Amino acid sequence: TQLLEQSPQFLSIQEGENLTVYCNSSSVFSSLQWYRQEPGEGPVLLVTVVTGGEVKKLKRLTFQFGDARKDSSLHITAAQPGDTGLYLCAGAGGGFKTIFGAGTRLFVKA
Amino acid sequence: DTGVSQNPRHKITKRGQNVTFRCDPISEHNRLYWYRQTLGQGPEFLTYFQNEAQLEKSRLLSDRFSAERPKGSFSTLEIQRTEQGDSAMYLCASSFAGGFTEAFFGQGTRLTVV
Repeated sequence: TQLLEQSPQFLSIQEGENLTVYCNSSSVFSSLQWYRQEPGEGPVLLVTVVTGGEVKKLKRLTFQFGDARKDSSLHITAAQPGDTGLYLCAGAGGGFKTIFGAGTRLFVKA
Repeated sequence: DTGVSQNPRHKITKRGQNVTFRCDPISEHNRLYWYRQTLGQGPEFLTYFQNEAQLEKSRLLSDRFSAERPKGSFSTLEIQRTEQGDSAMYLCASSFAGGFTEAFFGQGTRLTVV
């Protein structure tokens, strides 16, 4: 069974700080996606990483896929209150379904 | 086509009643997924369709749950004889079939069973 473990589960930081959240698995994934979800809404896709070692940047967000395609990280520079939300990683393995980690809940205080 | 649409957004029902949710995917997408999400957890896979064929069902999907996608367009998820444990956010997503998946989600249907 493929599992995705996310850490930390919860993170509360001050505006302007940097942070990194992690998504780890013992399984290889053909791709990993990162989503952000706000309360009462569906997840919104941020990025997909496909190639081992790939780095993608989305404004202040930097996503990295591990060389072995088993893990990924999301780094946020100079966090803002608008970054508050649940960050989910999701993986597409050999099957057709996408599986999710439990998420990292980020709270950025002004 | 602006995205995945789910109806209703909220549903409150009494225990034992049947409920049905609808999902309209992005029109070009041939894969459609149903997920369930409880508070503090990530979405859990329930089932998915490729066109009109239901290709996989999770063990989470008891006999009280049924999903259909007639004609490979919209999908419905029905829960019969609802229980309080069915209270959750039910999310629908769609994607292209291909080498990797990027699922785009609807806003979800929040079910509360009282």
